[in-house]
Amino acid sequence: AAGVIQSPRHLIKEKRETATLKCYPIPRHDTVYWYQQGPGQDPQFLISFYEKMQSDKGSIPDRFSAQQFSDYHSELNMSSLELGDSALYFCASSLTQGLTKNIQYFGAGTRLSVL
Amino acid sequence: SQQGEEDPQALSIQEGENATMNCSYKTSINNLQWYRQNSGRGLVHLILIRSNEREKHSGRLRVTLDTSKKSSSLLITASRAADTASYFCATGTSYGKLTFGQGTILTVHP
Repeated sequence: AAGVIQSPRHLIKEKRETATLKCYPIPRHDTVYWYQQGPGQDPQFLISFYEKMQSDKGSIPDRFSAQQFSDYHSELNMSSLELGDSALYFCASSLTQGLTKNIQYFGAGTRLSVL
Repeated sequence: SQQGEEDPQALSIQEGENATMNCSYKTSINNLQWYRQNSGRGLVHLILIRSNEREKHSGRLRVTLDTSKKSSSLLITASRAADTASYFCATGTSYGKLTFGQGTILTVHP
C-alpha cells in the first residue's frame, strides 16, 4: 500500500538560508499535517490542510509557511533558518471519514540540520 | 509536552514480560492514539481509542482510557526485543491535530 512520501530525507543548510520540504500524502487522504520533532522531544504540531485549505495552525514560526497544491502534495517552506530549526520534520495524512478516520499515517520524515 | 506526561519515561524489561505505559492529558479529547517510533524514524500508528470507549485490544496491545481521570494506559503483553522503541500517546481533536506526550523509551532485553 502507498505510504506518505517525504523528500528530501536529509537536508543540510546554513543559517539564514531557505529550505523547502515536500510531502506526498496517501492517495485519497483529505488532510495533511506537518509536525516538528526536536532532538529527544515529542512531535509538535505545526500546521494542517483539509482539502487544500489551511485547517489548523500550531506553534509555527512566522518564518515558516506551507501550502497544499491541486495534486494534494504539500510543501513546508522555511526561511531565515536558525540553528534551533534543526529537527525532524514529519508529514502525516489522514481521512476525515470512514473506519480509519483520524488515524494519521506518518512519512519517514526529513532531517534538517542547520549549521 | 504541552499536553501531559507519560510515565515512565524509560522502561527496561526482559523478553516475555509485559510492559505498561501510562499517559495523562489535560484537555477534552475526541480520541487518544498510541504511536511507536524507532530511533530517528517515522511514527507508526498502533491503536486509536475514542473518547466514548474504555478499552480496546489489538493483538498484543491493550489500551484503556479513563476520561474522568484524563489518563490512558498501553499494555504490551509478551514483549519481544523487536518491541524496543519509543512509545507516544497523542490526543486528537475533532479537527484532527495530534498533541503528543513526552514518550516512553521501552527497551526489551533478549
